[in-house]
Amino acid sequence: VLTQSPSASASLGASVTLTCTLSSGHSSYAIAWYQKLPEKGPRFLMKLNSDGSHAKGDGIPDRFSGSSSGTERYLSISGLQSDDEGDYYCQTWGTGFRVFGGGTKLIVL
Amino acid sequence: QVQLVESGGGLVKPGGSLRLSCAASGFTFGDYYMSWIRQAPGKGLEWVSYISTSGRTTYYEDSVRGRFTISRDNAKKSLYLEMTNLRAGDTAVYYCARDFYYGDNWGQGTLVTVSS
Repeated sequence: VLTQSPSASASLGASVTLTCTLSSGHSSYAIAWYQKLPEKGPRFLMKLNSDGSHAKGDGIPDRFSGSSSGTERYLSISGLQSDDEGDYYCQTWGTGFRVFGGGTKLIVL
Repeated sequence: QVQLVESGGGLVKPGGSLRLSCAASGFTFGDYYMSWIRQAPGKGLEWVSYISTSGRTTYYEDSVRGRFTISRDNAKKSLYLEMTNLRAGDTAVYYCARDFYYGDNWGQGTLVTVSS
């Protein structure tokens, strides 16, 4: 249902956009984005709707933003910091199911 | 603030059982669905189970259905996962999360290792 690129990289201070693709027929689905750092529990970043509106989790800085286009859901991070290096997961849900994408490993160069 | 603390993980032999607990604080526990999610070593996140506010509605991922049982005690603000007939493939860090269809708050996790 959800496809993510296995890896992405960008330089310190730069911006990066991660993509989560919903399978065809699911363009109306909302998703959630999470950050998973080593030895820490997942951190909820935002709920992202199909129209691009999003609601962030508590304390999530403005550097993190989301947008949508068709079946694509995007997570953009600006002003990359070394602490942003980790895995990023998208997740969606429906009646009787909740499913994650495979995750994208973000490397900050 | 919302706090979720898992406990009960450990080393268990294949075919064995284990009960995980999650103690909640900082919110009205009985007003929220709750979930268990796991991450096997080197793998991605997997939604294992969720339970409704009353406990009457539950969901299980296919690989655990019939072996795992989720439950809750709203008076004790606690969530549980009873795991039986454990397999090597159940080895993972298990997280509890407050469930809005997505997990808006998570614990730090408890490690379950299934090995002989």
